[in-house]
Amino acid sequence: GAGVSQSPSNKVTEKGKDVELRCDPISGHTALYWYRQSLGQGLEFLIYFQGNSAPDKSGLPSDRFSAERTGGSVSTLTIQRTQQEDSAVYLCASSPRYRVTYNSPLHFGNGTRLTVT
Amino acid sequence: QKEVEQNSGPLSVPEGAIASLNCTYSDRGSQSFFWYRQYSGKSPELIMFIYSNGDKEDGRFTAQLNKASQYVSLLIRDSQPSDSATYLCAVNPDSSYKLIFGSGTRLLVRP
Repeated sequence: GAGVSQSPSNKVTEKGKDVELRCDPISGHTALYWYRQSLGQGLEFLIYFQGNSAPDKSGLPSDRFSAERTGGSVSTLTIQRTQQEDSAVYLCASSPRYRVTYNSPLHFGNGTRLTVT
Repeated sequence: QKEVEQNSGPLSVPEGAIASLNCTYSDRGSQSFFWYRQYSGKSPELIMFIYSNGDKEDGRFTAQLNKASQYVSLLIRDSQPSDSATYLCAVNPDSSYKLIFGSGTRLLVRP
């Protein structure tokens, strides 16, 4: 497809279970981001991947969160032992280059709505 | 203090009016600024970008930047009901890869 694809679109899980969220960026985009958007809140930066460089994990809220990007393309965000406060929309974005500019903006997917019961 | 602050709203304006959305930021060295529009249940989409002091116009949208006062605003002229959405201000603090987002202002345009 032409855009950033995320799956699943919705995920309901029980507290304490692990979940995996998937992101397929736009073909050729070297930069990939994960953001989290809680109800009524802005986007909270989680992690950034750029090519083969070490990822910027500075936004991950706890060690229960991890992410990987295989082959410079698809990314998976994993949340272990989910808690109710993890409930949010998880947005993935990609961009063609390292710097965010008007010609290289972030392109967002439609997100995964995670509900932890 | 949050890095990027916006009034959460809702800002309610009648159809045809000018909607004015404001954003302040804390990092004085920030260089580039973005406005994203997010419809309910949808992903954010980029609508404006500005990096120089002053005004930048694109159709019905005008972005205004004042680096000395550390604020950026978005004006929407001739507001339409289809403009009803949440508008997110985003700041690129070091001209690299990270965007810091505000919590957004919800705009309601009344027919």
